[in-house]
Amino acid sequence: NAGVTQTPKFRILKIGQSMTLQCTQDMNHNYMYWYRQDPGMGLKLIYYSVGAGITDKGEVPNGYNVSRSTTEDFPLRLELAAPSQTSVYFCASSPPMGGGQETQYFGPGTRLLVL
Amino acid sequence: RKEVEQDPGPFNVPEGATVAFNCTYSNSASQSFFWYRQDCRKEPKLLMSVYSSGNEDGRFTAQLNRASQYISLLIRDSKLSDSATYLCVVKGNTGFQKLVFGTGTRLLVSP
Repeated sequence: NAGVTQTPKFRILKIGQSMTLQCTQDMNHNYMYWYRQDPGMGLKLIYYSVGAGITDKGEVPNGYNVSRSTTEDFPLRLELAAPSQTSVYFCASSPPMGGGQETQYFGPGTRLLVL
Repeated sequence: RKEVEQDPGPFNVPEGATVAFNCTYSNSASQSFFWYRQDCRKEPKLLMSVYSSGNEDGRFTAQLNRASQYISLLIRDSKLSDSATYLCVVKGNTGFQKLVFGTGTRLLVSP
């Protein structure tokens, strides 16, 4: 049981380039999330999904896109990288909230540097 | 005003000391509260949930004060391995019920 896995671990992008951050979970969780964490800031929710085929925007969705074609995978797409997107990106998953199932399980993160 | 506020620290304490962190939240309708731990350059992990009646897990005690809208975490007999950033997390009660993360309080335990 690998939990939540993310690839790549680290990436350098040039301004205007595109990339996809991969996220996979093997816990059969319905809910999945993408966060970004900037130095000295709390985690900010980018997008989330409550199940395959269903996604919605979080607090900071601009510049990102997501898809959820399977329960396991939740890739995050950056179309035109900007320096403001330099951050650490965490993917997380959880069972549906309520009934004490609020624990979110995080992947190890992807460090992205946009130059 | 931030939804969740924490003192960033760092709190520097010797091994064996007792240390307490507080966190305040702005949404009085918040339903659930948690402490997560984040080691340097690692992902956050759930440390413990915070219940209205307070709860204890070994050396860790969490308290909730709804009237004053703050949450506390007490660590007794600090260990070197307790060095980390402690994130205060609050779940709202509207819409998706997303988690709101504080910026964290850094703890450094020295020998």
